[in-house]
Order: sequence, then C-alpha cells, then structure tokens
Amino acid sequence: DTEVTQTPKHLVMGMTNKKSLKCEQHMGHRAMYWYKQKAKKPPELMFVYSYEKLSINESVPSRFSPECPNSSLLNLHLHALQPEDSALYLCASSQEEGIQGAESEAFFGQGTRLTVV
Amino acid sequence: GDSVTQMEGPVTLSEEAFLTINCTYTATGYPSLFWYVQYPGEGLQLLLKATKADDKGSNKGFEATYRKETTSFHLEKGSVQVSDSAVYFCALTGGFYGNNRLAFGKGNQVVVIP
Repeated sequence: DTEVTQTPKHLVMGMTNKKSLKCEQHMGHRAMYWYKQKAKKPPELMFVYSYEKLSINESVPSRFSPECPNSSLLNLHLHALQPEDSALYLCASSQEEGIQGAESEAFFGQGTRLTVV
Repeated sequence: GDSVTQMEGPVTLSEEAFLTINCTYTATGYPSLFWYVQYPGEGLQLLLKATKADDKGSNKGFEATYRKETTSFHLEKGSVQVSDSAVYFCALTGGFYGNNRLAFGKGNQVVVIP
C-alpha cells in the first residue's frame, strides 16, 4: 500500500465555519506534511510532523491548526478562514524527515479542494 | 537555500512529438532529484527519481539523468500521447542548506494536441 488518502475530496465552507481535513497513510512513514497549492503554482509547505511532533511551521496563520493523533493520521483544523485560503490542500508522507537518498521520496495524496465563501 | 529552475511557459505539442522539459538546480551536498506529475484535478504523483550523479530515472516512457556537472535533470519522452497532458514539477531534497524540505520548480503545463 503506497497510498496517502485524504478526505474530503472537496469542501465548501463559510468564513465562520469550523472544519477539518483528514489524511491517512499506512506505509509506516514517520514524517507527514501539509502543503497548500494555488492554481498553476507549485505546492507551498505549511507544516511538517516528524514522529508525531510538529517539526516545522512555515509561519502559517493560526486559523490553520494541525494535529497528528498517531503515526498514521494527520489532521488540519480550519477556523475563520478567508476567501484567499481557497486552494488545493495536499498531504504527503515520507519515511523520515531529513532522510537522504533512495528513501527520501515523498508520497502525496489526491488533495482536498477547499473553497471559502 | 536549495532551489530548482524550470523553463518558463507552457509546452504545447502534437501527439507523437518529442518532449523535453528543462530543469536545473542549485544545491550543495548530494540532493535527490524528482519529477512529479499532476493531472487535472488530482494530487502529485512521483514520475521518476534519481538519487546520485549519473543515475537515470525512468517511468512510463519518460527519462531524466542526474547531471552533477551541469546541475541539471531534464525530462524527456520520445513520443507523447494526449494522456500525458499535465503539469510537471521538478523537485529536489537533501541538499545541505535545504532544511530537508522538498524544493519545487514552478512547474510546466504540457498540452498534447491530437
């Protein structure tokens, strides 16, 4: 199983709503990532979890709150978002953070397309 | 820090044409290099990878060779199909100053016309 599964696939939310994005992998990977991707742009790193601890926060606004309940799951809690937060949110995993060589590959999910209205 | 440069602009070509997408990188140490593909409405899929100099990655008819002397990892395919229409991202990880993150190029949209 080399899949990273994200739910939901699409999400429309109002600016006062609270919602969560979910990501799951069963490859035994110990590093998990959230990326934000705007149309026709490369993904931008938001957060990195390594061994279930937050390793990197790329100065993301507090209206985005990540959570890693266990080694297979990663959540992104959303609250009071703005229309400019509308984007494709991608989850990824890799064997470990900082590993080099053949094991450094990151596996991406299909993404959640978020629209904030 | 580490960075990746891809040629500017979309690429439009006819079915069965030869495809080349240029990718050059700046990194110290021994980064691993990747090409990711993103089909319309989907996430990123790893297309191929190379983890040391002179390695050639290949998959689905696509090839790229890790050239340390020219710091390049150009993507090629001999005969493209309509189904190859997608956005292609060159990326690297593992350089000394990259903080262990994936550095992406800007991506190239490839449109294959029947």
